[in-house]
Amino acid sequence: GESVGLHLPTLSVQEGDNSIINCAYSNSASDYFIWYKQESGKGPQFIIDIRSNMDKRQGQRVTVLLNKTVKHLSLQIAATQPGDSAVYFCAEKGSGGGADGLTFGKGTHLIIQP
Amino acid sequence: GAGVSQSPSNKVTEKGKDVELRCDPISGHTALYWYRQSLGQGLEFLIYFQGNSAPDKSGLPSDRFSAERTGGSVSTLTIQRTQQEDSAVYLCASSLAADRITQYFGPGTRLTVL
Repeated sequence: GESVGLHLPTLSVQEGDNSIINCAYSNSASDYFIWYKQESGKGPQFIIDIRSNMDKRQGQRVTVLLNKTVKHLSLQIAATQPGDSAVYFCAEKGSGGGADGLTFGKGTHLIIQP
Repeated sequence: GAGVSQSPSNKVTEKGKDVELRCDPISGHTALYWYRQSLGQGLEFLIYFQGNSAPDKSGLPSDRFSAERTGGSVSTLTIQRTQQEDSAVYLCASSLAADRITQYFGPGTRLTVL
């Protein structure tokens, strides 16, 4: 079946630096790509999404880039803060009918060093 | 307002027993999802409810798993004859019908099968 995966399981950055979390996907038919943040002991929290016909979208301190040519998705977090420490999941939503659940990658653990 | 709530937060059971997990979605959210998250893994889609329509059960791993949604609100996920491989965190999410991208997750139920 289709899959969504991540390049790095753990990323450690200094507080105040920018961080980039990468994700590879294989389902070219996905309508949307989404980033979720999961803190320890909590459910995932929506961060930002991007539609498949876009290549960049910005939010507050976050930017998502989509490169459909190489099927690559990234999340950039500017000026990281201690509260950014969490596991970050990329996810995709398929197009058309069928399952409306999201397909999640395995996650990247972002560690912010003081 | 209140977010998605799940109960119990933790459940320890013996192999072969049945368990019921409960989810209260956000008021007004007609879409409800169940996911399973094994240790150190991403989320695995299980089942999706939209209003009073028949649920999308395409993600259920076996016929020991079933779910109901009464009155378009509260949902119960039932696992019969539990196995050790069923041990995981079971997450529930809800969303507005028109926006199935932004899913709001509950804190999850951690199920341990001994």
